[in-house]
Amino acid sequence: QQQVKQSPQSLIVQKGGISIINCAYENTAFDYFPWYQQFPGKGPALLIAIRPDVSEKKEGRFTISFNKSAKQFSLHIMDSQPGDSATYFCAAKRGQAGTALIFGKGTTLSVSS
Amino acid sequence: EAQVTQNPRYLITVTGKKLTVTCSQNMNHEYMSWYRQDPGLGLRQIYYSMNVEVTDKGDVPEGYKVSRKEKRNFPLILESPSPNQTSLYFCASSRQGRSSYNSPLHFGNGTRLTVT
Repeated sequence: QQQVKQSPQSLIVQKGGISIINCAYENTAFDYFPWYQQFPGKGPALLIAIRPDVSEKKEGRFTISFNKSAKQFSLHIMDSQPGDSATYFCAAKRGQAGTALIFGKGTTLSVSS
Repeated sequence: EAQVTQNPRYLITVTGKKLTVTCSQNMNHEYMSWYRQDPGLGLRQIYYSMNVEVTDKGDVPEGYKVSRKEKRNFPLILESPSPNQTSLYFCASSRQGRSSYNSPLHFGNGTRLTVT
């Protein structure tokens, strides 16, 4: 019930293409769904987050799509660039700040030029 | 600059030799946490602290200790390191008692530990 399942494990996309990473969760009490981006040698950094009462959130080229009934959410990166090459983690949690964030296992994205 | 600072960045040690990884944040955050990152396993929480003198176990606490004597510092202690603790460790912090949307989790840049 606490798991967040992320796929694929790795992804190769051509420059200009769309990158899609999927996550699924089981705990219906989760109410915060962030995506973190991690570059080599750095810690994860918040990329974008969504609430469960919203079906989509867009920030620049990054969009989260959220399907509450299916308990799934996904990250779409439009017009993918080599600078987007990184590891992406989906996550979920319940409640206010200061409670445990449950992470997916990560997706390594490589954008080829 | 708001940040979470971990030291050292790299550490090679031998089995059984006690070590401490320091973590400090300058954002006055109440909540602090330690994660380990392993290939194919993602980020797993080791310990967390809701405030000074308040700590609790995460998902993988065995072999680790923490302390929170000051709000800004949250050291991770390995009393007797073993090779299975070879990993990339991250400290993180956030505000407590507010919406997660207004107070996301901030990570340090990691400590790569090798235990031989």
